[in-house]
Amino acid sequence: GNSVTQMEGPVTLSEEAFLTINCTYTATGYPSLFWYVQYPGEGLQLLLKATKADDKGSNKGFEATYRKETTSFHLEKGSVQVSDSAVYFCALSYSFGNEKLTFGTGTRLTIIP
Amino acid sequence: GAVVSQHPSWVICKSGTSVKIECRSLDFQATTMFWYRQFPKQSLMLMATSNEGSKATYEQGVEKDKFLINHASLTLSTLTVTSAHPEDSSFYICSARPPLKGGLGSPLHFGNGTRLTVT
Repeated sequence: GNSVTQMEGPVTLSEEAFLTINCTYTATGYPSLFWYVQYPGEGLQLLLKATKADDKGSNKGFEATYRKETTSFHLEKGSVQVSDSAVYFCALSYSFGNEKLTFGTGTRLTIIP
Repeated sequence: GAVVSQHPSWVICKSGTSVKIECRSLDFQATTMFWYRQFPKQSLMLMATSNEGSKATYEQGVEKDKFLINHASLTLSTLTVTSAHPEDSSFYICSARPPLKGGLGSPLHFGNGTRLTVT
């Protein structure tokens, strides 16, 4: 079956540091890939997505590239801010409306000033 | 923007009792809502799809008689955990999708989740 593996947290970084959160997936065919973010006290929000190989999703300074050869979708940001502190979830989906999401376990990120 | 409200945010109940969790779409109508569950240190897993005016669709391995879903209106879906046991303690999250606009798909909107602890 499908599965998503992401690096375990928690991850603690200083402000302006470079961020990488690894995500790899196991699936057949060509799923769509997502990163969701959950800020403290809020619901999950879509951060970025990529629907085919070599696509790059980007938003709010975050980027992730769909790498089929390595079945990866690592999240990166060049300079993190305190406001980026949140839990990040990698996910994949095949369904038309992307409802049937398969999530990773989530990575808690804390940025210290 | 589209908002999904979930209530309560946390609940503690005794073993054998039932607990109801509400999921509301505040500014849009949702014919379909989705319920997820996350056990500690595990992935968020889709439990069921809630369909307004019809029966819910459950994922494999989810007991429909234990997790009762009612979607009586276009803005409200409820999940009732019946005869709860400690192993049902988990984080439950709902989501809904605003209607399509101009043929373009809109992203899912998630509630804040409900932390259920069964003692």
